[in-house]
Amino acid sequence: RKEVEQDPGPFNVPEGATVAFNCTYSNSASQSFFWYRQDCRKEPKLLMSVYSSGNEDGRFTAQLNRASQYISLLIRDSKLSDSATYLCVVTPYGQNFVFGPGTRLSVLP
Amino acid sequence: NAGVTQTPKFRILKIGQSMTLQCTQDMNHNYMYWYRQDPGMGLKLIYYSVGAGITDKGEVPNGYNVSRSTTEDFPLRLELAAPSQTSVYFCASSSTGEKLFFGSGTQLSVL
Repeated sequence: RKEVEQDPGPFNVPEGATVAFNCTYSNSASQSFFWYRQDCRKEPKLLMSVYSSGNEDGRFTAQLNRASQYISLLIRDSKLSDSATYLCVVTPYGQNFVFGPGTRLSVLP
Repeated sequence: NAGVTQTPKFRILKIGQSMTLQCTQDMNHNYMYWYRQDPGMGLKLIYYSVGAGITDKGEVPNGYNVSRSTTEDFPLRLELAAPSQTSVYFCASSSTGEKLFFGSGTQLSVL
């Protein structure tokens, strides 16, 4: 089993739609969780950290379920500029960041 | 603010050639990382360092070497380049493990 798995995608949604991405991780001792965004041919950039109580940043909401080893990202009111690949990232040990394969989102006009 | 600087941005190598990918950060971060990303895939860790003089292997270290003589620099060496090393390489740094700062990447083709 891979350390971090994500919805395979791609997701094609109309502007204004709500879309949710799922991620699972295999190491129950994982400490920190993140969502990164990567635009085509660019470096990944931190979108948001994911906390146990869940957290929200504008139109983005992240949830963590440690018991199920599951992380989610919800995007409300999708914009064209949200089109990107979303990477789930977990730190299973020490300061190592393990990346999922990513889920590509295309927001259509 | 320079952040993490990688050079070169693009490179074409012939099979068997060697090269060094340079990475420098000016944020005084202890942790530095090298990742590779193949088309349509996630990032895979090649090597990482938790401080000057300390390096360790990641998931895919074969065919690569690193050194960390200073806090700022973390070069990645490719010896005897192979077509399987065609990829985009990203260097990153972190201070607390809370956030990774990435360089802009190096697109490497081995022909």
